[in-house]
Amino acid sequence: AQTVTQSQPEMSVQEAETVTLSCTYDTSENNYYLFWYKQPPSRQMILVIRQEAYKQQNATENRFSVNFQKAAKSFSLKISDSQLGDTAMYFCAFMKQDTGNQFYFGTGTSLTVIP
Amino acid sequence: DAGVTQSPTHLIKTRGQQVTLRCSPISGHKSVSWYQQVLGQGPQFIFQYYEKEERGRGNFPDRFSARQFPNYSSELNVNALLLGDSALYLCASSLGQGLNEQFFGPGTRLTVL
Repeated sequence: AQTVTQSQPEMSVQEAETVTLSCTYDTSENNYYLFWYKQPPSRQMILVIRQEAYKQQNATENRFSVNFQKAAKSFSLKISDSQLGDTAMYFCAFMKQDTGNQFYFGTGTSLTVIP
Repeated sequence: DAGVTQSPTHLIKTRGQQVTLRCSPISGHKSVSWYQQVLGQGPQFIFQYYEKEERGRGNFPDRFSARQFPNYSSELNVNALLLGDSALYLCASSLGQGLNEQFFGPGTRLTVL
């Protein structure tokens, strides 16, 4: 079984500052994908960034980047130059390579960007 | 293009009743997954359908069932509702199996009294 743990239920950051959200996971699989999803107060989940486990290079999408440590089973999200629109719940998710869209989600981190 | 749509938006039922939730995927998407998100928790995987066949099932009782229609829309049925079934039910669609971006709908908020 796969488990995803997000140990920070709530975080806050000043606008324009940088914040890092933590995620660890447990799996016996070698081939998998990791994701960060954002769920704003309007509820619709939006993909932020994804990482293929076989890639050593950390994924980057504009102000969002990850620190993927496969051996440590750690997958943190760094948000640079935080904006008010980044206020949302952030979920870390895991997907095995040989299955379809069957995600295992963490419990989420509520991020508030303070003006 | 329309995104993933779900109906109804909100639903109130009483214990023991049955409920059907509906999902229309993005045009061209053949895979639909269902998730249950209890307040304050992350979404939990319930079912995945691809090409009208069940491709995965999460750890949910047999009271939960689903199907996918020829037009790739999907229904999630829950029988004999319990208070603990109160949650936001999310549908997500993608082009197919494997690593395709999954797009989520806005969800159906089910309240069981």
